[in-house]
Amino acid sequence: EPEVTQTPSHQVTQMGQEVILRCVPISNHLYFYWYRQILGQKVEFLVSFYNNEISEKSEIFDDQFSVERPDGSNFTLKIRSTKLEDSAMYFCASSVMANTEAFFGQGTRLTVV
Amino acid sequence: GENVEQHPSTLSVQEGDSAVIKCTYSDSASNYFPWYKQELGKGPQLIIDIRSNVGEKKDQRIAVTLNKTAKHFSLHITETQPEDSAVYFCAATLPGGSQGNLIFGKGTKLSVKP
Repeated sequence: EPEVTQTPSHQVTQMGQEVILRCVPISNHLYFYWYRQILGQKVEFLVSFYNNEISEKSEIFDDQFSVERPDGSNFTLKIRSTKLEDSAMYFCASSVMANTEAFFGQGTRLTVV
Repeated sequence: GENVEQHPSTLSVQEGDSAVIKCTYSDSASNYFPWYKQELGKGPQLIIDIRSNVGEKKDQRIAVTLNKTAKHFSLHITETQPEDSAVYFCAATLPGGSQGNLIFGKGTKLSVKP
């Protein structure tokens, strides 16, 4: 069964460093998303991406964040200068069309120290 | 913007009993309401969803009901089994957004005791 895969599963980084979280969406999906989940809290929408551009973003997704689809398979989330409060589980998701269900990856746990 | 409230935060039932989790949403323009199950160390997995033009949907032991007037929707799990133990999240779409642009509730940790 096709699935969304994320790497790494766990990343530890120093405050102020840049991190790139990687996702491989399901191959025939056209819509891509990033979410984050701070420990013990709800899953929060960050950004959606379609046709090589951001289609929607939340207030959380400020200038520190960027997304990219560098090739035909990867979808990345970059955090430019990490802060302690960026520590969270980051989930990538994808869907075939705008009106179809979103499938989530297993997440990357980001720890900023 | 949209806000989704979910209750209860924890729920413990005996195997075989039913479990009900309730959510309310604030924006009447939201039109898609999925439920996700998250097991430890895994990402959310869609278990059932409902659109605003339907009042109820059932899939084996799982059902979802939607009351658009009251802006609330509920997940019903019958004949619960230990493998149903997980965190369940309700969600609603951001108005005008795609079905992946979701506002989630805070989650309900369901424990099914054998």
